[in-house]
Amino acid sequence: GENVEQHPSTLSVQEGDSAVIKCTYSDSASNYFPWYKQELGKRPQLIIDIRSNVGEKKDQRIAVTLNKTAKHFSLHITETQPEDSAVYFCAASNTGANNLFFGTGTRLTVIP
Amino acid sequence: NAGVTQTPKFRVLKTGQSMTLLCAQDMNHEYMYWYRQDPGMGLRLIHYSVGEGTTAKGEVPDGYNVSRLKKQNFLLGLESAAPSQTSVYFCASSYGRGANNEQFFGPGTRLTVL
Repeated sequence: GENVEQHPSTLSVQEGDSAVIKCTYSDSASNYFPWYKQELGKRPQLIIDIRSNVGEKKDQRIAVTLNKTAKHFSLHITETQPEDSAVYFCAASNTGANNLFFGTGTRLTVIP
Repeated sequence: NAGVTQTPKFRVLKTGQSMTLLCAQDMNHEYMYWYRQDPGMGLRLIHYSVGEGTTAKGEVPDGYNVSRLKKQNFLLGLESAAPSQTSVYFCASSYGRGANNEQFFGPGTRLTVL
């Protein structure tokens, strides 16, 4: 089955700096890669996703890149703000899978 | 639309007691999931369902049972609670599988087993 690894487990950045979180996956058939944000005490919520027919997707200050050859994808947050502080989860899935395979999460702290 | 709701929000059990967690969704989703979240462990899939009347095991199914008698509801049961089942439980639902598997999560249930 699919194995998703996520790094780093914790990340601290100064407000205004960029943050990058990286994930690797094992199943070359995976073709859907969502990112979820979970604020303290809240539920995970989808913030951006990418499908394997594109290499990059951007939504305001967040972007996701995908390298299918290397089997890794990354979340990029630019101009970080204190409200970006949260735990971020990457995940992977494929057409034949009934569920998402989640990474173990990255706790991002943005220091004002 | 309420989205995905969970009942109860908090619960304290004694070892050996039983309980049922209820998940409800009003988005007409086919797929529903139960996860547990422990510190540093991320989200681990307990059981899931691909439609009314169907259930399947996930990554950590032992000690739990589920039922999906109605499309909008997914129940998670603990027959004999153990301290190792102390966790936050999230329910989620999605329209489809694979690349259509955007999951919508409920607010969570914090369960403590003494």
